[in-house]
Amino acid sequence: EVQVVESGGDLVQPGGSLRLSCAGSGYTFSSFEMNWVRQAAGKGLEFVSYISSSGDTIYYADSVKGRFTVSRDNANKLLFLQMNSLRVEDTATYYCTSIRGVTTYWGQGTPVAVSS
Amino acid sequence: DIHMTQSPSSLSASVGDRVSISCRASQNIYDYLNWFQQRPGRAPRLLIYGGVTLQSGVPSRFTGSRSGTYFTLTISSLQFEDFATYYCQQTSSPPLSFGGGTRVDI
Repeated sequence: EVQVVESGGDLVQPGGSLRLSCAGSGYTFSSFEMNWVRQAAGKGLEFVSYISSSGDTIYYADSVKGRFTVSRDNANKLLFLQMNSLRVEDTATYYCTSIRGVTTYWGQGTPVAVSS
Repeated sequence: DIHMTQSPSSLSASVGDRVSISCRASQNIYDYLNWFQQRPGRAPRLLIYGGVTLQSGVPSRFTGSRSGTYFTLTISSLQFEDFATYYCQQTSSPPLSFGGGTRVDI
């Protein structure tokens, strides 16, 4: 059974840091491109970050560039998002998505709240 | 970057109605188009992938079609549980991008 499970979401103060994790199982994790997508309450879906299957190509949304860092550990089937200098506007549910060709898997999301 | 234009942004319908939602890509995305349904407080649910292929477990009243860079999600006979927000997503080339969403209300 395919599973994508995010973790690490929490309440953090502005300027703080958080590290999200995503565990993939039931499929060949190392063959899939990975993305982080977020959704603020009442808003649409927003791309955050992309990492290729090998990890050698990375993209970020302009809104997080220089503050967020994506990485992956294919041996342990894990994806990470290191979030630094967090802002109130980063408050959202963060989803991990796996893509290979037309195949896509999504997790259930992990909530991040940035507030003083 | 590829831009996705989704329409309408909202619509009102009744149980049993036929409903169509459109999505246009700013460039050729071949068949790399997904449709998602999202109910309040829930994660997005994949309905259609590859532009036209029904995800396992999704009712057959949902269909996807493509004409060039135009994609359409059709619900043949709206059921109560279909009242939700729908999103298209392109995965042709990173960064992936989404339509703005269509809210389907009673």
